[in-house]
Amino acid sequence: AQRVTQPEKLLSVFKGAPVELKCNYSYSGSPELFWYVQYSRQRLQLLLRHISRESIKGFTADLNKGETSFHLKKPFAQEEDSAMYYCAPYYGQNFVFGPGTRLSVLP
Amino acid sequence: DTGVSQDPRHKITKRGQNVTFRCDPISEHNRLYWYRQTLGQGPEFLTYFQNEAQLEKSRLLSDRFSAERPKGSFSTLEIQRTEQGDSAMYLCASSLGGVGNSPLHFGNGTRLTVT
Repeated sequence: AQRVTQPEKLLSVFKGAPVELKCNYSYSGSPELFWYVQYSRQRLQLLLRHISRESIKGFTADLNKGETSFHLKKPFAQEEDSAMYYCAPYYGQNFVFGPGTRLSVLP
Repeated sequence: DTGVSQDPRHKITKRGQNVTFRCDPISEHNRLYWYRQTLGQGPEFLTYFQNEAQLEKSRLLSDRFSAERPKGSFSTLEIQRTEQGDSAMYLCASSLGGVGNSPLHFGNGTRLTVT
C-alpha cells in the first residue's frame, strides 16, 4: 500500500521565522505531488501542486525523488499561515493523504 | 456558492441504524470521491466515480458501505447497520478528469456520530 508520512503532528514557529513541513512518500512510479491546507472552520483546499511549480502564499515545495520527499517551505511565516497541512501524492486515480501537520505561527 | 455541497452537515444516529449522505459536486466535474476522516488523521480514501461508473473502492471498505452516482451528477453514500467505529467526518470531493491530475475540490463534510 502507498504510504505518506508527515513526522510532525504539531509545528510551532514565531512570526517571521522560516518554516518547513516534512513529507515522505512510498515509492511507486512517479506520483504527482500536492499539498492541501485546511484553515480553521474552512474546507480542505489545494495549496500547491508540484507540476505547476508555482509559489502560493509564499510557500514552495521541493521534490527529491531520491529521498522520496516533498517538503513544504516558507521563508517567513505569517500568523495567517496557522492551519493543518496535508501532503497528498496522486497514485493511479486516487490521492493518498498524509496524517497532517498542524502549523501554529505565534505572534 | 458553486462549490461542492454536502448534506447533512451533522448526523447523529443510534448504532444499528442506516444513514445516507448526499454530495453535489461542482457541475462540470466528472470525477467524484468519498473520503473519511477521523480525529488526528488525514482523509482516508473510500471510493471514486468517473461519471456514473464506480471505478475504485477501498479494500478497507466494509460491505455495509455503498455509494451511488446514478446520473453522473450527485452522489449518495449509505452506511447500513452503523457501528460506533463509523463515527467520523465524511468528505466528498470532485475534480475535472481528462486534464491531467486535476486537484480535488472538497465539500464541508458530513460529521457522523454513532451513539
